[in-house]
Amino acid sequence: KAGVTQTPRYLIKTRGQQVTLSCSPISGHRSVSWYQQTPGQGLQFLFEYFSETQRNKGNFPGRFSGRQFSNSRSEMNVSTLELGDSALYLCASSLDLISQGTEAFFGQGTRLTVV
Amino acid sequence: GESVGLHLPTLSVQEGDNSIINCAYSNSASDYFIWYKQESGKGPQFIIDIRSNMDKRQGQRVTVLLNKTVKHLSLQIAATQPGDSAVYFCAENMYSGGGADGLTFGKGTHLIIQP
Repeated sequence: KAGVTQTPRYLIKTRGQQVTLSCSPISGHRSVSWYQQTPGQGLQFLFEYFSETQRNKGNFPGRFSGRQFSNSRSEMNVSTLELGDSALYLCASSLDLISQGTEAFFGQGTRLTVV
Repeated sequence: GESVGLHLPTLSVQEGDNSIINCAYSNSASDYFIWYKQESGKGPQFIIDIRSNMDKRQGQRVTVLLNKTVKHLSLQIAATQPGDSAVYFCAENMYSGGGADGLTFGKGTHLIIQP
């Protein structure tokens, strides 16, 4: 079956702009989580969505937001981009909430560069 | 805040030897732990998980050990192969009862397999 698909793979944006990243989970999976990966901070949890509802949010400013659609596809948005937002953004899908111990499958990520 | 950490940033082993990657966690409320493998240019890949009611779990060539007394997690890889070269992350998930808290990742250990 198809894995987790993230689009686009690469993105270059200018400071102050906004960006929307997309994630299509594995068919049948209802939970989608987003993570930011940087060399300095490693992998950090952004938020998790389940059945179109945000279930939890990590320690990121309000410029980072997301949503989930009825087909479980998810988008995350970053407004007023800063240079420090340059990172690999990873999406993970799972059948149930990760806290329930279900395996999370990651996509290949979207590499965002802010210039 | 509390976080999961790794003892060594790089581990070099000979092909065919066994590898042990260590992880220390500080959140005593964590009840679910996962090891991920990330190869260059790819998203993290699930290796094995363990719940806090267990102290050992085995998979194919991998074993995870959990010592709750000293809050220590380890991943043992038997007969390492060139394909095992990657960055390995431990992650913990704390279910606070109020909902999912997402995964907290360690910084990662880069496993290098020497021929």
